[in-house]
Amino acid sequence: NAGVTQTPKFRVLKTGQSMTLLCAQDMNHEYMYWYRQDPGMGLRLIHYSVGEGTTAKGEVPDGYNVSRLKKQNFLLGLESAAPSQTSVYFCASVVAAWGETQYFGPGTRLLVL
Amino acid sequence: QQQVKQSPQSLIVQKGGISIINCAYENTAFDYFPWYQQFPGKGPALLIAIRPDVSEKKEGRFTISFNKSAKQFSLHIMDSQPGDSATYFCAATIDRGSTLGRLYFGRGTQLTVWP
Repeated sequence: NAGVTQTPKFRVLKTGQSMTLLCAQDMNHEYMYWYRQDPGMGLRLIHYSVGEGTTAKGEVPDGYNVSRLKKQNFLLGLESAAPSQTSVYFCASVVAAWGETQYFGPGTRLLVL
Repeated sequence: QQQVKQSPQSLIVQKGGISIINCAYENTAFDYFPWYQQFPGKGPALLIAIRPDVSEKKEGRFTISFNKSAKQFSLHIMDSQPGDSATYFCAATIDRGSTLGRLYFGRGTQLTVWP
């Protein structure tokens, strides 16, 4: 099992450019989450999904979109990147709402110039 | 609005000492309190967790103390080792069966253990 993987590991964007971050899990987990981590701010939830084809907004959803076309993949999109979106992005998954452990990916470092 | 407040922001401890990180919450509906450990360049990983029906949980050198009336919980690392140097996050979740497993995280504590 690879667990939770994220692609790419690092990316530099110019303001206004778009990109998609990919999260993949091979644990057959229903629930998946996208967080951003900024110094001194902890982990903040961007969007989440409770199953294939369903998504919902988290705490800081503005400027991001997500899709979950396949159960194992959760995509995070930035349509027009802004410097404020410079952050480390983590994906996580859990078997279901009663699952005790969220498994995190290794993160994607994004720098927006 | 920060659902879970964590302190201190950073902590320096001598090898062999006790590291203590504190968290407080307001929402009495929280019913599961995990701690995550994160090493540089890695994602957070579950370290230990507690439910409010017990006041303490111990796993090796790591202990969670839980005070339901004060709405506080803390992580104690006994005999701290340089390998424990990491960022620690407390978290809480509400009635996991109905709120989609959403975790509310504290802002993290960067622990440095000097050899």
